[in-house]
Amino acid sequence: NAGVTQTPKFQVLKTGQSMTLQCAQDMNHEYMSWYRQDPGMGLRLIHYSVGAGITDQGEVPNGYNVSRSTTEDFPLRLLSAAPSQTSVYFCASNHLAGSYNEQFFGPGTRLTVL
Amino acid sequence: GENVEQHPSTLSVQEGDSAVIKCTYSDSASNYFPWYKQELGKRPQLIIDIRSNVGEKKDQRIAVTLNKTAKHFSLHITETQPEDSAVYFCAASLTGANSKLTFGKGITLSVRP
Repeated sequence: NAGVTQTPKFQVLKTGQSMTLQCAQDMNHEYMSWYRQDPGMGLRLIHYSVGAGITDQGEVPNGYNVSRSTTEDFPLRLLSAAPSQTSVYFCASNHLAGSYNEQFFGPGTRLTVL
Repeated sequence: GENVEQHPSTLSVQEGDSAVIKCTYSDSASNYFPWYKQELGKRPQLIIDIRSNVGEKKDQRIAVTLNKTAKHFSLHITETQPEDSAVYFCAASLTGANSKLTFGKGITLSVRP
């Protein structure tokens, strides 16, 4: 299993540009989520999904869109990039049922907005 | 919503000493409490977790204790080694369909050789 994969690893954007961060998992997990990590701020939830066709907002959703057309993929779209969106973005997934909610994280995407 | 706080924000210990990292949570309904370790430039990885029906869980040099009444839980690392140096995040959630994890801000642990 590849686990959770993310592309790209690094990205530089100019203010106002749009882009999509890709996330995929091959563990048949129902739950997928996007976090951003900023120094001293921990991991903050942007959007999450409990299954294909279902998405919901997290703590910091403004400026981001998501969709979940398949179980495997959960892309994050930046509509009009701003310097405040400079961050490291992590995608994560886990099963919903069962005894454990261990979230498996992808390797992250480091985004810089100029 | 849930609020998770970690104290202290940084911790430095001598190699071989023990380290204790504490977290508090606000939602008494939370029943799952994981700890993640993040090495520099890497992704967070689960190191240990505990559910609310258990007071303590141990795995080799690490242990987690939970006090539901006081709404706090702690990570204990014994015989610390330089490779334990990392950022440690605690989190809290419900299990099942409403399993949004709320993370603390993280603690940087430095183990001095």
